[in-house]
Amino acid sequence: QSALTQPRSVSGSPGQSVTISCTGTSSDVGAYEYVSWYQQHPGKAPKFMIYDVNKRPSGVPDRFSGSKSGNTASLTISGLQAEDEADYYCCSYAGTYRYVFGTGTKVTVL
Amino acid sequence: QVQLLQSGAELKKPGSSVKVSCKASGGTFTSYTISWVRQAPGQGLEWMGGISPMFDTTNYAQKFQGRLTVTADKSTSTAYMELSSLRSDDTAVYYCTRLLPYPSGSSPYWYFDLWGPGTLVTVSS
Repeated sequence: QSALTQPRSVSGSPGQSVTISCTGTSSDVGAYEYVSWYQQHPGKAPKFMIYDVNKRPSGVPDRFSGSKSGNTASLTISGLQAEDEADYYCCSYAGTYRYVFGTGTKVTVL
Repeated sequence: QVQLLQSGAELKKPGSSVKVSCKASGGTFTSYTISWVRQAPGQGLEWMGGISPMFDTTNYAQKFQGRLTVTADKSTSTAYMELSSLRSDDTAVYYCTRLLPYPSGSSPYWYFDLWGPGTLVTVSS
């Protein structure tokens, strides 16, 4: 199972929007409405940010949103804030109780 | 409020094994699955496998088949990850994470909603 493909880095100024893509295959991202996203600050454990492609757990700001088209899922951060600077990982169910993560994207707030 | 508490850092020789523990404090240990995810230095997250303490069933990523053993002790609400035949590229932070149907038990989809702090395993001669 290969990792899902994400851009290595994206950047934006405070208040701007950035979008992170997550490309998989018809066996994972394309097969299930079962994509999640995780935020990870340096030296910390990942934090659950998005589930079911586009839903937010309680406590996650509504500037985080998700979408999916075909084999590619996306995370958009609107109204970028300094504390959003972190690494972001997508994750998809890959069948038979297996999961696959994305390669990770570093978001830089300029 | 459930917390996942992991054992401390380990330094291991190539060819040896390591066993990392993950204790769940609070909640019902058997109502979810515990998965293990690792992160090599400067690298991304990698799902390794997991266990359902309720059913005592395990699932492993093909990459770790034969080298990874995940177990659980319901009496102490503790899960264990044992990786054998260690190599230098097994050096990583190993996270345990709770996998459960989200947002409720009726959801068909399961997510990693809670993570332990991670355990650094260093493999070096």
